[in-house]
Amino acid sequence: DAGVIQSPRHEVTEMGQEVTLRCKPISGHDYLFWYRQTMMRGLELLIYFNNNVPIDDSGMPEDRFSAKMPNASFSTLKIQPSEPRDSAVYFCASSQPGTGVTLHFGNGTRLTVT
Amino acid sequence: QKEVEQNSGPLSVPEGAIASLNCTYSDRVSQSFFWYRQYSGKSPELIMSIYSNGDKEDGRFTAQLNKASQYVSLLIRDSQPSDSATYLCAVSPRGGGYQKVTFGTGTKLQVIP
Repeated sequence: DAGVIQSPRHEVTEMGQEVTLRCKPISGHDYLFWYRQTMMRGLELLIYFNNNVPIDDSGMPEDRFSAKMPNASFSTLKIQPSEPRDSAVYFCASSQPGTGVTLHFGNGTRLTVT
Repeated sequence: QKEVEQNSGPLSVPEGAIASLNCTYSDRVSQSFFWYRQYSGKSPELIMSIYSNGDKEDGRFTAQLNKASQYVSLLIRDSQPSDSATYLCAVSPRGGGYQKVTFGTGTKLQVIP
């Protein structure tokens, strides 16, 4: 299995621009998560989906952030307009329900907003 | 109060020693507990999970859970330089939010050759 695939690996953009991060979960995994990691706040859960349906978006910092999962193999996290404080590493992860929760993380997208 | 608290470190131990990493959590309904390892510039990977009070051993790693004290720890025996990484403690609740995993900010471990 190829694992969770994220793109792009790095994104540099100017304040005010729209940013779209992409994720392909592991085939067969029913859950998809978007996390943001910064030195100060660590790994923060932004939103997670079950069977393409958003279950909990309470971690989405504000209306500038939106996430979609149009099908089982693709999800996007969009920031519009972007701000310098959005600079972070954004991780996508997927998991299968079972006896335990094992999150399989993608390689992350390092976002820099100037 | 943060939901999951860890000392940021760095924790420095000599090669071959036991490294002890600690974590406390605030939500008493937490049911599942995890330790993830994250190498610099890489993504987190699961190394241990524990669900019941007591110890759970896997090779050189031992996870310890004390729900009464809301305390989780990870012991790494015979520490190796390759163990140098940031260790993230994570918890998830029971019930409908079972899949919602909350992470601490991590403890950086340095194993000195």
